[in-house]
Amino acid sequence: DTAVSQTPKYLVTQMGNDKSIKCEQNLGHDTMYWYKQDSKKFLKIMFSYNNKELIINETVPNRFSPKSPDKAHLNLHINSLELGDSAVYFCASSQDKITEAFFGQGTRLTVV
Amino acid sequence: AQSVTQPDIHITVSEGASLELRCNYSYGATPYLFWYVQSPGQGLQLLLKYFSGDTLVQGIKGFEAEFKRSQSSFNLRKPSVHWSDAAEYFCAVPGGFGNEKLTFGTGTRLTIIP
Repeated sequence: DTAVSQTPKYLVTQMGNDKSIKCEQNLGHDTMYWYKQDSKKFLKIMFSYNNKELIINETVPNRFSPKSPDKAHLNLHINSLELGDSAVYFCASSQDKITEAFFGQGTRLTVV
Repeated sequence: AQSVTQPDIHITVSEGASLELRCNYSYGATPYLFWYVQSPGQGLQLLLKYFSGDTLVQGIKGFEAEFKRSQSSFNLRKPSVHWSDAAEYFCAVPGGFGNEKLTFGTGTRLTIIP
């Protein structure tokens, strides 16, 4: 059973399109995250949710909108995609703030 | 703000040789520290973590790390590397006002040669 699963694994889309990435965790964790990894492998937090409440929004353009329908899901919707949005997006979860974070396999987004 | 620095962008070692990957932290109090590994095309997996207590921490896959407060370091070591250890390695520290996120170093890419 996959602990943190994201879909799709690969996403190729044209500039200006709107797309969503889904994330689900079956670990019973309270906190979920979205991280962005750029082409140089640099990892940066985008959003964090705790019990469906947004607790971090790290100066991400408002074209990015996370949605947490319940504690086990944190989806990422991106409007009006730009070339610079091309990256690998990782979903993660943890029981609380400083314990181990479990990561999904990543979604490689390519905007053409 | 809490941060970690990984001075080595890329390290190449021979299979069977020992390995040390460097991580320096900047943290106000006693830090919590993590090492994660990212194999090609995969997500991140926790290798080990330090919260308190014994400064030598054992992790998975034969890795260990030593917390040295005097040097502000948390270096990752392995006595004998295997080809499957080729990956990207990230040091991380909790960040934000309430430690509500992980702040990662820039990563060290490990290449193993036969």
